[in-house]
Amino acid sequence: AQKITQTQPGMFVQEKEAVTLDCTYDTSDPSYGLFWYKQPSSGEMIFLIYQGSYDQQNATEGRYSLNFQKARKSANLVISASQLGDSAMYFCAMREIGSGGGADGLTFGKGTHLIIQP
Amino acid sequence: KAGVTQTPRYLIKTRGQQVTLSCSPISGHRSVSWYQQTPGQGLQFLFEYFSETQRNKGNFPGRFSGRQFSNSRSEMNVSTLELGDSALYLCASSLTATSGNTIYFGEGSWLTVV
Repeated sequence: AQKITQTQPGMFVQEKEAVTLDCTYDTSDPSYGLFWYKQPSSGEMIFLIYQGSYDQQNATEGRYSLNFQKARKSANLVISASQLGDSAMYFCAMREIGSGGGADGLTFGKGTHLIIQP
Repeated sequence: KAGVTQTPRYLIKTRGQQVTLSCSPISGHRSVSWYQQTPGQGLQFLFEYFSETQRNKGNFPGRFSGRQFSNSRSEMNVSTLELGDSALYLCASSLTATSGNTIYFGEGSWLTVV
């Protein structure tokens, strides 16, 4: 079973509108971290926001916020006031901590291609 | 401060050759991990190094190997290249190897095998 599911392969959004990118995850580990990355066509993976499984409040970073619903295993990214430069691929990723205390590598979803239209 | 630096950015190799990619992590970061990105398989974890020791390894054949030096810089090597090894190889660094640390990526190395 997929550990990270991004159900929106592509999205078109008008400039200045808010955008919600969906991400659901599957893990039995109580301790894990959730990440969102932006990847423009150049290939660089740009860190956007992080949410720990034990964090009580939803993470925010400027125009980015993470809508973390632990019981539903959902970690949606919200971009407020979208800009043309937000057009890119967006990836949700998870890192689990195993019973031994060491963390695994990141598991990525398949991504959402976001296009902001003027 | 400087981000994660990967070299070379682009390279073309012939099937059967080997390739070495280099990664310099953010200053102070001791954990370096490598990922392969292809259109078909998406982003896949290769391996992670912390304090010169490989901590985790993804599901890749033994042709893929890596190492980390005492200054935390890392290299990955792919021997006997196959056409399917054509991919974007991304290096990432974090302070330590726990999930509570933010993970930053470099610009990647684009490898084409012909």
